[in-house]
Amino acid sequence: QVQLVESGGGVVQPGKSLRLSCAVSGFTFSSYGMHWVRQAPGKGLEWVAIVWYDGSKKYHADSVKGRFTISRDNSKNTLFLQMNSLRVEDTAVYYCGKELVVGAIDNWGQGTLVTVSS
Amino acid sequence: QSALTQPASVSGSPGQSITISCTGTSSDVGGYHYVSWYQQHPGKAPKLMIYDVSNRPSGVSNRFSGSKSSNTASLTISGLQAEDEADYYCSSYTSSSTYVFGTGTKVTVL
Repeated sequence: QVQLVESGGGVVQPGKSLRLSCAVSGFTFSSYGMHWVRQAPGKGLEWVAIVWYDGSKKYHADSVKGRFTISRDNSKNTLFLQMNSLRVEDTAVYYCGKELVVGAIDNWGQGTLVTVSS
Repeated sequence: QSALTQPASVSGSPGQSITISCTGTSSDVGGYHYVSWYQQHPGKAPKLMIYDVSNRPSGVSNRFSGSKSSNTASLTISGLQAEDEADYYCSSYTSSSTYVFGTGTKVTVL
């Protein structure tokens, strides 16, 4: 069955960097777009970034543009989110998701918590 | 990109129908057929309920339906059940090739 497992979350100081990973199995990873979505504690969902199936195109939310970079390694069935210059407001559970069709995320990971605090 | 606007809460009795609205602009909801709806129970990952405005993924109950008129999309839950109590979010593709979620709606089954 389809599985997505995030890792790399933790506590980090403001201004530091963190790299999240999402290991997938159960489907042909190289055929699907992949998303990162985050949810601050007690808040709603916020879309973060998307990378096309072949890595040729990437788009990021304005709130993270220039600081976060989404990428993928299709040979290792893994999605990444490089997060630089972290801010307190980046504190959230980060989910990776597989795209069914444009913008529809039909499979989600369990989420990994990133806490930015001094 | 501002979040799409949803009512904070909607409630209904078991068996009733409720509708959740999701209002955006011509640059997102009104401009594309790419509106999705998600259900999220506390402490769980979201679940896709509707995609492409009105399509249900395999395994989703036909009590859930979606529609769109101009800049507003809607999710209707008919025959409300206790298990439908959850948070619901809409999302849309945007003219910037990005995506935006709605503010979220808490559904309460009375």
